[in-house]
Amino acid sequence: DVKVTQSSRYLVKRTGEKVFLECVQDMDHENMFWYRQDPGLGLRLIYFSYDVKMKEKGDIPEGYSVSREKKERFSLILESASTNQTSMYLCASSGASSQGGDTQYFGPGTRLTVL
Amino acid sequence: QKEVEQDPGPLSVPEGAIVSLNCTYSNSAFQYFMWYRQYSRKGPELLMYTYSSGNKEDGRFTAQVDKSSKYISLFIRDSQPSDSATYLCAMSPWGANNLFFGTGTRLTVIP
Repeated sequence: DVKVTQSSRYLVKRTGEKVFLECVQDMDHENMFWYRQDPGLGLRLIYFSYDVKMKEKGDIPEGYSVSREKKERFSLILESASTNQTSMYLCASSGASSQGGDTQYFGPGTRLTVL
Repeated sequence: QKEVEQDPGPLSVPEGAIVSLNCTYSNSAFQYFMWYRQYSRKGPELLMYTYSSGNKEDGRFTAQVDKSSKYISLFIRDSQPSDSATYLCAMSPWGANNLFFGTGTRLTVIP
């Protein structure tokens, strides 16, 4: 079974703090994704990565950055947290087609509250 | 117009009922169709995956794709309280790296 883990289930931070959300997958997947999920808006893609040290902007990258130094690990960074970044953050991974990579596998999510 | 439209519900049904969840889409290039189930405060988990048109059955769950109408459905037979969750449809033109999600339908099955 694919396993995607996220470093924290719940996180409370103050406005202006730098926040790190970490995601690790154990299936040697090439592709990793960060989404945020808000009521009525569904899942919105923040950033994704096709390979180590590679990143691409998604639909809502403003206020976020990412890091992928190792294949199994993809970090989301909020440089200066703001209250409008309070949300559920979901990490996902997928493999190449030869690995059955026609879908994404999600982690349990991190519920971030910025006060 | 959104690429994928999904009725947010909420939908409440009695235990044992047949549930029908639906999504419509506008992009005729979509070929891969998925349904995810998300329990409260958890991440989505893949429930059903289909390629192109047709039906796929897995236990009490049936996924149906009608590409001519740009319409997909998930049917749940003999619904159980444990089916209470939010169901997300997702689709893509060429696989996992470019998924378009519906906003999700919240389902409650009442014992």
